[in-house]
Amino acid sequence: GESVGLHLPTLSVQEGDNSIINCAYSNSASDYFIWYKQESGKGPQFIIDIRSNMDKRQGQRVTVLLNKTVKHLSLQIAATQPGDSAVYFCAEIPNTGNQFYFGTGTSLTVIP
Amino acid sequence: EAGVAQSPRYKIIEKRQSVAFWCNPISGHATLYWYQQILGQGPKLLIQFQNNGVVDDSQLPKDRFSAERLKGVDSTLKIQPAKLEDSAVYLCASSSLQSPKPNEQFFGPGTRLTVL
Repeated sequence: GESVGLHLPTLSVQEGDNSIINCAYSNSASDYFIWYKQESGKGPQFIIDIRSNMDKRQGQRVTVLLNKTVKHLSLQIAATQPGDSAVYFCAEIPNTGNQFYFGTGTSLTVIP
Repeated sequence: EAGVAQSPRYKIIEKRQSVAFWCNPISGHATLYWYQQILGQGPKLLIQFQNNGVVDDSQLPKDRFSAERLKGVDSTLKIQPAKLEDSAVYLCASSSLQSPKPNEQFFGPGTRLTVL
């Protein structure tokens, strides 16, 4: 099976600072990656995606970086806000289908 | 646009009992997914439907879990009999090939199951 893992299970940052959440994946043939945010008691919510033919993609306050050489994905959140406190998952979609493989998740806590 | 609806939100049962969860996907979404999320872990796909047909159920414990989507709209996931290790949040998600991001899955709030 696929293996998607995260380097750090928890992360605490000061409000206003930038956050970086990392993710390692195992399938070099994966075609598509997504970052999801899950707040307590809610389902995961799409944040940003990136295809394997890209190295970087930017959204509103978020940037995803993909390093295919070392099979590493990161999510950068600029000017982190209390509302960013949640668990963040990376998900990998192999090019053999559209099944998602989710990592364990990183819990982000923003300190006011 | 209404999101993915799930019910109940919470369920507590004793082991060996049966339980059923219901999901109504976003209108028009042909693909429906059921995930199991154990506390502290990422969601794990149990079954994927395309309209009323099963696309992938390779990780569904078929001796006790079953799911159906008879009319290709809403879906039911059943556990019979439940075990202690089934305690988890059961998430339903849907997606559409016609959406701007066809791979984006929209998740419901989940049903939190506690098996005692």
